[in-house]
Amino acid sequence: KNQVEQSPQSLIILEGKNCTLQCNYTVSPFSNLRWYKQDTGRGPVSLTIMTFSENTKSNGRYTATLDADTKQSSLHITASQLSDSASYICVVSGGGGGNKLTFGTGTQLKVEL
Amino acid sequence: DSGVTQTPKHLITATGQRVTLRCSPRSGDLSVYWYQQSLDQGLQFLIQYYNGEERAKGNILERFSAQQFPDLHSELNLSSLELGDSALYFCASSVREGRAQFFGPGTRLTVL
Repeated sequence: KNQVEQSPQSLIILEGKNCTLQCNYTVSPFSNLRWYKQDTGRGPVSLTIMTFSENTKSNGRYTATLDADTKQSSLHITASQLSDSASYICVVSGGGGGNKLTFGTGTQLKVEL
Repeated sequence: DSGVTQTPKHLITATGQRVTLRCSPRSGDLSVYWYQQSLDQGLQFLIQYYNGEERAKGNILERFSAQQFPDLHSELNLSSLELGDSALYFCASSVREGRAQFFGPGTRLTVL
């Protein structure tokens, strides 16, 4: 069964600190992995898309890593800001049937002063 | 602003009613996706269209239906509404399958 599991479920950090969010998946065959940021009540916004051959991809203070062998990805946020408070969703594409997407339930990040 | 528009922004209706949610994709995008997000739940994929044709179905109830029109806008029809249908409904579009999806602001449906 295709599954995407994210950890931790929620996280509270102080402004300026770094944090790392984890995503483990069992989707096969694998096409790509995406990280989205979703502010409360808003639509998700794409942060990164990683294919099988990519190990690291950065988007400003966000850096995603992918280990296709262990089927793990992480999203590292550096120098966190209050505006980083949001839900971060890992989405894996693949699993047969073309463009099937499997969504994780997200990590809820709160950045405090 | 993702370039994807959804109307209405909010919708309050009663059980048993029928509503239609509308989505206009980004200019040039051929794929449209519909998602449901209940309170404190993850995104649930409902259905995908590509250039007017249904391409994939997710956890979409038989009471729900959708279509994509020749101008590429899409409508999601929800009928015989139940309290549990209250949720945020997102539309997303991509230039083609496998490419990044851009999400609209969502329609918040409340069934009383």
